[in-house]
Amino acid sequence: NAGVTQTPKFRVLKTGQSMTLLCAQDMNHEYMYWYRQDPGMGLRLIHYSVGEGTTAKGEVPDGYNVSRLKKQNFLLGLESAAPSQTSVYFCASSPERVRDGHSAVGNEQFFGPGTRLTVL
Amino acid sequence: AQSVTQLGSHVSVSEGALVLLRCNYSSSVPPYLFWYVQYPNQGLQLLLKYTTGATLVKGINGFEAEFKKSETSFHLTKPSAHMSDAAEYFCAVRGAREGGNKLTFGTGTQLKVEL
Repeated sequence: NAGVTQTPKFRVLKTGQSMTLLCAQDMNHEYMYWYRQDPGMGLRLIHYSVGEGTTAKGEVPDGYNVSRLKKQNFLLGLESAAPSQTSVYFCASSPERVRDGHSAVGNEQFFGPGTRLTVL
Repeated sequence: AQSVTQLGSHVSVSEGALVLLRCNYSSSVPPYLFWYVQYPNQGLQLLLKYTTGATLVKGINGFEAEFKKSETSFHLTKPSAHMSDAAEYFCAVRGAREGGNKLTFGTGTQLKVEL
């Protein structure tokens, strides 16, 4: 299994340009997430999806859109890139929480290798 | 709502010394707690997690963490640091009833291991 893959690995944009980041997972996970990582700020959730055809806003959704047309793919779009969107973007996926005996199991998230985006 | 505080954005230890990375959390419901490691130019990899049961959790690469509810802490330790442990470490929390398995991350601690 490839796990979680992200395309592209690096990208440089000019202010105002648009682009789409692709995340794919082959683990049949229900949940998928997009984060951005900035120095000293940890990872912040941009958008997430709890299943095919669903999306929801995270902590920092402004300036981004997402789509989950297929269960295995989660796309992150920047319609008009700004220098403030220079960051490293990580995609993650997670299986739906399942019940194991009498208690729910806290399932972890599995991360992709990241996309380094620079907006000039 | 959940939050995580990692004390010390940079920690430096000598090879063979004890590693202690601090994590305190705030959660209105019973928490699930995670430690992830990020090596340079890579994604995050799970080190260990606490969900229910035993409060001392053992993870990969000799790391362990103890959930202390009274102190709202989940500190990460390793008895003897190795050069290969140099990386950034993130603590994360999720409320047990949080939908979508969403995590809230701390700001990270960069671990440096010196000879």
